[in-house]
Order: sequence, then structure tokens, then C-alpha cells
Amino acid sequence: EDQVTQSPEALRLQEGESSSLNCSYTVSGLRGLFWYRQDPGKGPEFLFTLYSAGEEKEKERLKATLTKKESFLHITAPKPEDSATYLCAVQEDSNYQLIWGAGTKLIIKP
Amino acid sequence: DVKVTQSSRYLVKRTGEKVFLECVQDMDHENMFWYRQDPGLGLRLIYFSYDVKMKEKGDIPEGYSVSREKKERFSLILESASTNQTSMYLCASSAPGTGGDEQYFGPGTRLTVT
Repeated sequence: EDQVTQSPEALRLQEGESSSLNCSYTVSGLRGLFWYRQDPGKGPEFLFTLYSAGEEKEKERLKATLTKKESFLHITAPKPEDSATYLCAVQEDSNYQLIWGAGTKLIIKP
Repeated sequence: DVKVTQSSRYLVKRTGEKVFLECVQDMDHENMFWYRQDPGLGLRLIYFSYDVKMKEKGDIPEGYSVSREKKERFSLILESASTNQTSMYLCASSAPGTGGDEQYFGPGTRLTVT
């Protein structure tokens, strides 16, 4: 069965304490893996698309990487404004739909 | 920038009422989606549409219907609202391409059915 698993469920860090969020997936053929940020009471905001193993993308303090079985979202020297829920989703070949993970709630304490 | 708008941010309806949620996107995207999001259950797909007047059931279509008469507009209809349909409803759109089809979301509608 195709699925996406994110870990940990929640992560509390001090400001400036770098860490990584994990998204592991099992699909028959990967068309794309997506990372989103969601603030409370708002819709998810698109961050990155990764297409193939070895690919990396960066945006400010965030860097996303991809292997054949998982993706990592690395957060370097986070600030309180990085606090949010981070969602991962994958798209299979020839499919409009995305398979969503449950998300990681990130809390950055000042 | 892609912009997806939803007709209401907050909505309170009574059990048995017919409820319309509207979504409009301004980027000429072919695909549009309706999700609901509940604590602990994540994003669940209700319906999606890949073209005008076309629709496909998602994972939880029961109790819902949709309408897409124009490319930019996708409506979600609750024929007879029930308390278990209290949720955050999210609309998204995407354009099929050679790579992955990232979806862009609206701000969401928090629906409460009493």
C-alpha cells in the first residue's frame, strides 16, 4: 500500500538549534515529493518539489533532500517564526492525487 | 503568484441545511481539489476535477457533491449538513506538467455544523 510517514509528530527546539524532519514514502513510481508549511488556521503553503534521488533545494533556513525512500527537511539555526506544521506529500506517476503525511509540528522557542 | 480564494473563512450552519463552499483560482489551472482537514487525521481528499464538468471521487466523498461549470471555479456542496461535517475545508489547484504537480491552497473555510 502506498503511504507517507512523517516523523517526529512534534519537535521542540530552541532558537538556533538545527535539526531535521523526516518523510519516508512507499510508492511504486515517484513523480514528485512536495514539502508544505502550514500555519494554524491557514491553508498549506507550498515550499519545495523534489523529483529524483540526490536532489536538494534550499529556501532561507530550509533545505530539502531526497533519497529513494525518504526526504529530509533540514532547518538550520531556526527562528520562532519557523514554528509551523510541515507537511510532506508524494505524487505517483500518472496520478493527479497526492498522498499526504500527517505532518510534523515544529515549535521554536526563543 | 497563484491565488486561490475561498468564499468564506468561517461558516456556521445548522444540521440539515444545504451548504455551498466556493473556490476560485486565477492561474488557469486544469486541476482543482477539495480536502477536509481534521486534527489527527491529516488532509483527506473529498473530490477533485481535472477539467470543466469533470469530477472524480476522492477518499471520502460520502455526503458531498461538487460542481465545476467554469475552469476557475470549483464548488463543494453539502446536501444536508451534519455535525460530523464540522471541519476545515481546503481547496487547491494545480497544473499538470512534465514534473510533479504541486498544489496551491486557499486559506480554508472553517465550517461548524450545529
